[in-house]
This record gives sequence, C-alpha cells and structure tokens, in this order.
Amino acid sequence: NAGVMQNPRHLVRRRGQEARLRCSPMKGHSHVYWYRQLPEEGLKFMVYLQKENIIDESGMPKERFSAEFPKEGPSILRIQQVVRGDSAAYFCASSPTGNSNQPQHFGDGTRLSIL
Amino acid sequence: AQTVTQSQPEMSVQEAETVTLSCTYDTSESDYYLFWYKQPPSRQMILVIRQEAYKQQNATENRFSVNFQKAAKSFSLKISDSQLGDAAMYFCAYRRPWETSGSRLTFGEGTQLTVNP
Repeated sequence: NAGVMQNPRHLVRRRGQEARLRCSPMKGHSHVYWYRQLPEEGLKFMVYLQKENIIDESGMPKERFSAEFPKEGPSILRIQQVVRGDSAAYFCASSPTGNSNQPQHFGDGTRLSIL
Repeated sequence: AQTVTQSQPEMSVQEAETVTLSCTYDTSESDYYLFWYKQPPSRQMILVIRQEAYKQQNATENRFSVNFQKAAKSFSLKISDSQLGDAAMYFCAYRRPWETSGSRLTFGEGTQLTVNP
C-alpha cells in the first residue's frame, strides 16, 4: 500500500515564477493537509482539503497561494510569483476521514528553493 | 489559539540510555489528541506515538512511552534503550477534535536529539 506521494522532491524556481507542488494521498484517503516548514522551524498548517472542497485555509497566505483537490488526480499547492521567503519544505499529509482520532500520514515533502 | 512549546532545542543521550523530551501545550479544550513525530535527516515525518486526552493511561510503543499530565498540560516523550537510529528532530503536536475546528495539527518547534555511541 503506497504511502503519501509528493512530487517533485526538490523544486527550484526563480523569483517571479510559479511553483506547483503535487500530493497524491494514500489509497482510500480523501482528506489532505498541507504544511510548510521554514528552515530551523516546526511545521505550520496551511490548508485542509477534502475532495473538491477547501475545508480550512486559515493558515494559507491570502495572496499568491492557492490549493485544490479535484475529484480526479492529486492535490495541488500553487504558489504564484514566488519570492525568496517561499523557500521551505512543503509537506502533505492525508487521512481517511477528518476525525481527529485518525493520524495524519505524511509524504516526504517537497523542498522548494527560490533563486 | 492553541500553542505547543518544546523548551529543549537540543538534547543528547548515550546509546542504550534513557532520555526524556519535554512538551507543554495550551488549550481550553477538554478533549483533544497529542502526538510525537520524528523527523530524521531524510526529512520524513514519522509518527512515533499518540495519546487521546480522555485516556488516563499513558501510551506506549515499544521503547517509546509518554508521560501525559493533563492538569499540567504536559506531554513528555521517554525513549528507553536509545539507539543510534533514534537520532532525529522530534516534534510534539496537538490536534483538536474534528467537531470544533477540523483537524489540523499544531506543532512545537522541535527538539534535536543526538545519540552518542
């Protein structure tokens, strides 16, 4: 049973470009969470999605960031017009339901570097 | 808002010895969940152990156990018989019940554990 798959593993972008990060949840999981880890810090919640719905985006910056989880295909975290401060590791986690008693399973993360 | 505090940025332990990592949290909820995650140099996030607040019994997973003190809002992780593979960053995390906010995890800043041979 494959785990949470994130790609790419590493992504390099120049300032002003767009970054698209993909996350395929574990089989049978329909709930996806995105977290950001800045250097030397803990993970910070960004957004929580269920298939075709954004449930909680309170941790996501209002500008330049967007997320989706379509009916078919992976969840996408999109960062437009990237800046140096966007350099971080972005982790995706999934769970079968939103119940808090079920642990979130994490992917290996995407390390985004902005030149 | 909930906060999670790990007051030890770094800890070290000798191989085969025992080490305890501290975690405190702030919440007004009576029901919630607590977790310890391990992040080795490979940067994966690996679930180590979890505790439901309504359970008085401390969770145990092989060499890993917790000391959950609900009144003190404390959730420490004890690693017994430490092994070189235990070296990693350890994150404490809090999760509210789904009914109140959805189910995001709130993480502490982490404790870097070094295991000396």
